[in-house]
Amino acid sequence: QVQLQESGPGLVKPSGTLSLTCAVSGGSISSSNWWSWVRQPPGKGLEWIGEIYHSGSTNYNPSLKSRVTISVDKSKNQFSLKLSSVTAADTAVYYCAILTVTTGGWFDPWGQGTLVTASS
Amino acid sequence: QSALTQPASVSGSPGQSITISCTGTSSDVGGYNYVSWYQQHPGKAPKLMIFDVSNRPSGVSNRFSGSKSGNTASLTISGLQAEDEADYYCSSYTTSSTYVFGAGTKVTVL
Repeated sequence: QVQLQESGPGLVKPSGTLSLTCAVSGGSISSSNWWSWVRQPPGKGLEWIGEIYHSGSTNYNPSLKSRVTISVDKSKNQFSLKLSSVTAADTAVYYCAILTVTTGGWFDPWGQGTLVTASS
Repeated sequence: QSALTQPASVSGSPGQSITISCTGTSSDVGGYNYVSWYQQHPGKAPKLMIFDVSNRPSGVSNRFSGSKSGNTASLTISGLQAEDEADYYCSSYTTSSTYVFGAGTKVTVL
């Protein structure tokens, strides 16, 4: 049973860069899965941020594409999210999730999520 | 990309059936059988309930079922139970090779 765990600073200054890591346990990040980030502002809905394959191929939400970088570290069995030029609107719980695309595409399982607040 | 349209809230009494709709366009919901549904209890991570429109993962109650007609997908919960009270989100693959979620529906068990 693959498990995911997010980690990173809970507070980021406006105009700074948000950096989070998702550690993968119980499975290899080199398996046939896409690895994804999803966020949820307080009291609001889910927003897909982007995905990465172990080869390094990525897809990003067009609304965030200019500020987002997702990368994979096979040696550490983890993948990461960087979001630049953050504002208060980027305050959210950030989840990492496995995106299975054998037929369609669905997110399962999810990490527990980590709250990141953009504030000075 | 715009969020898929879901009703803000749906309610029902224990034992009843309720249906949550998820409306998109021919570029997402209507274009693929790649709709999934998630249940989220307060303070918890989302949980996959339905994938590929109508398939249930192992461990998910058969009281949950999914369907699609045109640009609208639906999640039906039959035999409503107190534990079903939660937020529900739909998601779809899009022609832009991206994913979009619905705005979410709060289910209340009366």
